[in-house]
Amino acid sequence: DVKVTQSSRYLVKRTGEKVFLECVQDMDHENMFWYRQDPGLGLRLIYFSYDVKMKEKGDIPEGYSVSREKKERFSLILESASTNQTSMYLCASSFLGQTLDTGELFFGEGSRLTVL
Amino acid sequence: GEDVEQSLFLSVREGDSSVINCTYTDSSSTYLYWYKQEPGAGLQLLTYIFSNMDMKQDQRLTVLLNKKDKHLSLRIADTQTGDSAIYFCAESTNNAGNMLTFGGGTRLMVKP
Repeated sequence: DVKVTQSSRYLVKRTGEKVFLECVQDMDHENMFWYRQDPGLGLRLIYFSYDVKMKEKGDIPEGYSVSREKKERFSLILESASTNQTSMYLCASSFLGQTLDTGELFFGEGSRLTVL
Repeated sequence: GEDVEQSLFLSVREGDSSVINCTYTDSSSTYLYWYKQEPGAGLQLLTYIFSNMDMKQDQRLTVLLNKKDKHLSLRIADTQTGDSAIYFCAESTNNAGNMLTFGGGTRLMVKP
């Protein structure tokens, strides 16, 4: 089974703190994604990466950065956490396949971050 | 840009059929998806449909696509309490899965 593991299920941080959210996948997927999930807003893409050391901005990259030093690991960084970054963060991965690939994303269980 | 919309909430009785609706704006969508999120978990792909199809059936699930109206629906027959979850509609114009646009999610509550 594909496994996408997010290191922390629940975090509580203070405003201004630096926050690292880690994600690891074990299926040799090229693509990795970070989304945030807020009620009624669905999933919004923060950043994605299609290769090691490559990153692309999604729809809401402000206040976030990412790191992909190894293929299996994609980290989301909040340099200075703010209360409006309180949310559920979901990591996902997928193949960079072509005709046989349905484009399915495999998700981790999420990291719920509260910024006080 | 692309936009995917769903109603927020649906409540049905156990044994009834559930119909979750979704509208999208991108006419170049090639794949449309339904994901399910159970409480405390990530999203899992439930089913998908290619844009050149108008219906797909998989056991209790029926997906209908009206490409002219850009309307997608998910019908769950004989809804069970275990079907209670949030259901997300999503679209992609790239079958490599690089960019999926998700709807806001519909919370399905199944009453015994």
